[in-house]
Amino acid sequence: AQKITQTQPGMFVQEKEAVTLDCTYDTSDPSYGLFWYKQPSSGEMIFLIYQGSYDQQNATEGRYSLNFQKARKSANLVISASQLGDSAMYFCAMRDGHMEYGNKLVFGAGTILRVKS
Amino acid sequence: NAGVTQTPKFQVLKTGQSMTLQCAQDMNHEYMSWYRQDPGMGLRLIHYSVGAGITDQGEVPNGYNVSRSTTEDFPLRLLSAAPSQTSVYFCASSRGRPNEKLFFGSGTQLSVL
Repeated sequence: AQKITQTQPGMFVQEKEAVTLDCTYDTSDPSYGLFWYKQPSSGEMIFLIYQGSYDQQNATEGRYSLNFQKARKSANLVISASQLGDSAMYFCAMRDGHMEYGNKLVFGAGTILRVKS
Repeated sequence: NAGVTQTPKFQVLKTGQSMTLQCAQDMNHEYMSWYRQDPGMGLRLIHYSVGAGITDQGEVPNGYNVSRSTTEDFPLRLLSAAPSQTSVYFCASSRGRPNEKLFFGSGTQLSVL
């Protein structure tokens, strides 16, 4: 069975500094995808970044980058130059590789990030 | 653009009552799914559908029914509500391709007393 582990229940970061949110995963499938979502206090789920298991380079989207270490089965999210608006819950998720069609995602428990001014 | 629309946003039920959470998307997405979010547990998949007329169970399907008669709609039915079903419910959809993100609705906060 696939599993996502986020070991940091909560994190603090100073405004303008970088922060890394940890995510490890467990799967026996060679093909899978990893996603990060942000959930601010308003409750909506906001897609941040995606990494495919066969992608050669680490994914980047603006201030977000994914530190993908396949051998370690880790997919950490790096947020550079933190802003107050980055304060939110962050979820790591993995796509079930067995499905040829569809996006059945398994989510981690989440990490609450607080940005301090 | 409406995207994924969930109704209601809030609902309070008494134990044993039934209700339907509505989900509609206007993006012609084939794949739709329902998740529940509980503190400390992230989001867990209840049911999903890869197209009209096709549904399947996720990780936590007990106590919930779904049907998919149209591409646009994917309602979630609670047959006999229990306090353990107190949660925030999210509907999500996508075109279904492997590297595509899920589009989420704004959620329904359900309390069962």
